Amino acid sequence: AQKITQTQPGMFVQEKEAVTLDCTYDTSDPSYGLFWYKQPSSGEMIFLIYQGSYDQQNATEGRYSLNFQKARKSANLVISASQLGDSAMYFCAMREGFGTNAGKSTFGDGTTLTVKP
Amino acid sequence: DAGITQSPRYKITETGRQVTLMCHQTWSHSYMFWYRQDLGHGLRLIYYSAAADITDKGEVSDGYVVSRSKTENFPLTLESATRSQTSVYFCASSESAGTGYEQYFGPGTRLTVT
Repeated sequence: AQKITQTQPGMFVQEKEAVTLDCTYDTSDPSYGLFWYKQPSSGEMIFLIYQGSYDQQNATEGRYSLNFQKARKSANLVISASQLGDSAMYFCAMREGFGTNAGKSTFGDGTTLTVKP
Repeated sequence: DAGITQSPRYKITETGRQVTLMCHQTWSHSYMFWYRQDLGHGLRLIYYSAAADITDKGEVSDGYVVSRSKTENFPLTLESATRSQTSVYFCASSESAGTGYEQYFGPGTRLTVT
């Protein structure tokens, strides 16, 4: 069964510094996608970044980058130059491509990030 | 309005009552999902649908029923609400089952069962 683990319930970072949010996953499917979503205190879910299992390079989107280590089954989110508006809950998610789980997504329990001024 | 909408946004109901949460998307996305998010936790999949009239269970489907007669609508019904179903419910849609397609989420429905 697919599984996502986020081991950091809460993280603090100083404004303008970089922070890494950890995510490990487990799947036997060779084709999968890894996603990060942001959930501010207002509650909406915002897509941040995507990494495909066959992608050779780490994904980047502005200040967000995904440190993808396939052999270790990790997909950590790196936020550079943190801003106060980055304070939110962050979820790692995986979507499998084949078999009975095709199309489904599994989410981790999330990491609450607090940016200090 | 374009996008994905949910109604009602807030609902209080009593134990044993039937309640239906509505979800509507305007993109004609084939895939739609229902999740629940309990306080301080991640999202757990209740049901998903690959197309109209095609639905499948997620990890926490007991006590819930879905239907999808039209591509754009995906209502979720709690047949006999229990206190353990107090949660925030998110509907989402995705263009395809492909692993590269992100999900677009509705604003959520906060359901309280008393």
